[in-house]
Amino acid sequence: EAGVAQSPRYKIIEKRQSVAFWCNPISGHATLYWYQQILGQGPKLLIQFQNNGVVDDSQLPKDRFSAERLKGVDSTLKIQPAKLEDSAVYLCASSLHAGTSYEQYFGPGTRLTVT
Amino acid sequence: AQSVTQPDIHITVSEGASLELRCNYSYGATPYLFWYVQSPGQGLQLLLKYFSGDTLVQGIKGFEAEFKRSQSSFNLRKPSVHWSDAAEYFCAVGALDNNDMRFGAGTRLTVKP
Repeated sequence: EAGVAQSPRYKIIEKRQSVAFWCNPISGHATLYWYQQILGQGPKLLIQFQNNGVVDDSQLPKDRFSAERLKGVDSTLKIQPAKLEDSAVYLCASSLHAGTSYEQYFGPGTRLTVT
Repeated sequence: AQSVTQPDIHITVSEGASLELRCNYSYGATPYLFWYVQSPGQGLQLLLKYFSGDTLVQGIKGFEAEFKRSQSSFNLRKPSVHWSDAAEYFCAVGALDNNDMRFGAGTRLTVKP
C-alpha cells in the first residue's frame, strides 16, 4: 500500500512570508497528525485530526499556524507569517484510528528553512 | 503529562558489536512505549512497541527492548549492529487516557566499520 505522501520535500522562505505544506495520508486512515521536528529534538505534535475534525491543537501556535482537513482525507498546514524559529522538519503521520495504541505511519517530512 | 528522556545524544559502536540505547519515561500509570528509527531524509519507522504483557518485546530488524517498571526504563538493544543501523533513534511514550505521544530528543547512532 502507498505510504504517507508529503509535499514539498524542501522549502526555503524569508521571514514574514507564508508557506503551506500538503499531506496525503494512507487510504482509510481516519486520524492525521502534524508534527514539528526542530533540529536536535524529537517530533512535537502540532495538531491531530479525526476525519475532518480537530482532536487536539493545544500545541499549535494559532496566531501564525493553521491547518485543515476539509474532506477528511488530505490536509494542509500553513504558516503565516513565518519566523526564523519555524525552521524545522514538518512531519505528517496517519493512523487507522485515534489513540496511541494505534500505530502511526510517518511521511518523509518537509524541511522548512526560514531566512 | 508523560515525558521521555534519552540520556545519550550520540553513540558510536563498531559493526558487529552489541548496542543498547537508553530511554527513561515519566508517567503515573502504565505507559505505552515505542521505539522509532529515522534515517536521513526519511520519516520515522516503528521498530517495536510495548503496551502490556511480556516485558521483553521483539521488533523488526533484530531489535528488542525491555520494559522495567521499577527503573522507568525501556532500553533498546541489538546483539550485533550492522552498518545499515546508523540512524537516529527515538523513544516515545503514550498513554491510555490521552492521544498525546511524547518523543525523546533522540540518540544518533554511528556505526564504525
